[in-house]
Amino acid sequence: GESVGLHLPTLSVQEGDNSIINCAYSNSASDYFIWYKQESGKGPQFIIDIRSNMDKRQGQRVTVLLNKTVKHLSLQIAATQPGDSAVYFCADYSGGGADGLTFGKGTHLIIQP
Amino acid sequence: NAGVTQTPKFRVLKTGQSMTLLCAQDMNHEYMYWYRQDPGMGLRLIHYSVGEGTTAKGEVPDGYNVSRLKKQNFLLGLESAAPSQTSVYFCASSSAGTYQETQYFGPGTRLLVL
Repeated sequence: GESVGLHLPTLSVQEGDNSIINCAYSNSASDYFIWYKQESGKGPQFIIDIRSNMDKRQGQRVTVLLNKTVKHLSLQIAATQPGDSAVYFCADYSGGGADGLTFGKGTHLIIQP
Repeated sequence: NAGVTQTPKFRVLKTGQSMTLLCAQDMNHEYMYWYRQDPGMGLRLIHYSVGEGTTAKGEVPDGYNVSRLKKQNFLLGLESAAPSQTSVYFCASSSAGTYQETQYFGPGTRLLVL
């Protein structure tokens, strides 16, 4: 996951616009990537995942893009809605060591009416 | 089908006290995980289990112990709580390893150590 400062990056978008949330990962051995959404006071909720043999994967209103060359992951949310307001985390898995996810520090998505 | 549940939801401890956090899942999942989340941070793996009777260390295991006596339950223990363990604790479960299946998270337990 991404290594950034203590303050959560914030992305503010207008309702109806598309949102793009970015994430950089550090482990070149990572081969599985997941985006989670976390609403206030709740646990992370799975959105979409992608494996390293793919560059792009689409879900319902969401698309994940993976650029392994620069170790970058992005989440695109189409036609952003008020219910999309949350903190979004990318997580990766390298397969070595512990069987768990490595999470980035998250991006707070704020939807402007 | 409740998914993943955690008890308690919130707890205040004094330094040196002990407590156990309970995670339960009703999805018959083999794998279970404990993470902690500190303010402005992503989740970090404490311990995990790949099946009943097994446990393994994650990224930040010091100060914690775990047990998986029953498949549906995963307990996280703090023997002597420290202020550095103030955090929100999340449990997750999955039907297979991280590369194979999605992890489903519980609602979290907020712990404050004074």
